Amino acid sequence: AQSVAQPEDQVNVAEGNPLTVKCTYSVSGNPYLFWYVQYPNRGLQFLLKYITGDNLVKGSYGFEAEFNKSQTSFHLKKPSALVSDSALYFCAVRVRGYQKVTFGTGTKLQVIP
Amino acid sequence: GAGVSQSPRYKVAKRGQDVALRCDPISGHVSLFWYQQALGQGPEFLTYFQNEAQLDKSGLPSDRFFAERPEGSVSTLKIQRTQQEDSAVYLCASSFRGSGNEQFFGPGTRLTVL
Repeated sequence: AQSVAQPEDQVNVAEGNPLTVKCTYSVSGNPYLFWYVQYPNRGLQFLLKYITGDNLVKGSYGFEAEFNKSQTSFHLKKPSALVSDSALYFCAVRVRGYQKVTFGTGTKLQVIP
Repeated sequence: GAGVSQSPRYKVAKRGQDVALRCDPISGHVSLFWYQQALGQGPEFLTYFQNEAQLDKSGLPSDRFFAERPEGSVSTLKIQRTQQEDSAVYLCASSFRGSGNEQFFGPGTRLTVL
């Protein structure tokens, strides 16, 4: 069984401040981890992924995430938030060799001008 | 260079009607997924195709749900005898083969069952 937890329904941050959106996971096997973003009335878009190698991965729009195996976490971060980053963010996990993807319930990010 | 497209974008059905939702994946993408997204929730996996083969249908909630991809390209998700609890957004995604590849999502079909 595999699961993803996004403990915060909403995160508020002031424009220009750093942001963190939290994600923890549980899998049996080696995880592949993904972040997707969903803007209003638009489909989910891929941001970044961790497959193997460097624990810090960089993705689109200045976002990055750190894979922490001991804490089973994959938190999304950005050094300086923009108002345009306001959206719904989903963390997802997949086990190597399997196709099923499990998504978290999503975190709404609100960047305040 | 078109992305994943889905049709219709919106569907209203009376309880008991059958519906068919279409997905056109990105050309060359071997893998195709269907998800159900309820309001305020993350996408829930329904089924997975590799080319025309349906390799995982563990997420289909009942035998009223049926998916096919006969030629390994376009896919159809069919729901028979719709119920109110079937109301949700149905998402289609495609990707290159391999579990390490990211998925490209369509805009979804919003199904409302009255």
